[in-house]
Amino acid sequence: KNEVEQSPQNLTAQEGEFITINCSYSVGISALHWLQQHPGGGIVSLFMLSSGKKKHGRLIATINIQEKHSSLHITASHPRDSAVYICAPLLNYGGSQGNLIFGKGTKLSVKP
Amino acid sequence: DGGITQSPKYLFRKEGQNVTLSCEQNLNHDAMYWYRQDPGQGLRLIYYSQIVNDFQKGDIAEGYSVSREKKESFPLTVTSAQKNPTAFYLCASSGMATGGTQYFGPGTRLLVL
Repeated sequence: KNEVEQSPQNLTAQEGEFITINCSYSVGISALHWLQQHPGGGIVSLFMLSSGKKKHGRLIATINIQEKHSSLHITASHPRDSAVYICAPLLNYGGSQGNLIFGKGTKLSVKP
Repeated sequence: DGGITQSPKYLFRKEGQNVTLSCEQNLNHDAMYWYRQDPGQGLRLIYYSQIVNDFQKGDIAEGYSVSREKKESFPLTVTSAQKNPTAFYLCASSGMATGGTQYFGPGTRLLVL
């Protein structure tokens, strides 16, 4: 069983729609990253959060450490939001402390 | 400009050949990481280094080697022992000031001829 599960795997939306991507994990973590990977391959860190909610522009990330679940929301989606979104928890135990593990990603396509 | 650079963008390897992927950062980060990405899979950790002259194996280190002689540089060698090297390779770094956030390079795509 994967330690990090993301859903959905693929998501197609119309411009302006509200988007939600979910991430659940089964390991002990100290924080969680949401990453964005564009078609060229480059990865950008959108958020790192350890509790509650963070907002940056049209992006909102939430996390519930007790329930081992995080969500990434995109309000008023736009075609330029089309990318792969990756959930990456930061491990907090043993020799792997401080290392990231990764979900398989959610491929988002926003149509104009 | 501060950042992480990887070169080359594309690399071709012949059977039985060792190739080295470059990763350089001028962010003054202590930690550096190498990941491999295959289609439909999450990134997997190959090697990481928390400090100069020290590095640790990740989850899929077999067939790879690294060195960390300078803080700024963390080259990855894909040896002939790596039987399935075709993948996208990403380097990342983090430091005390980043609070755990890792910054990623643009990646190198390795193809076997």
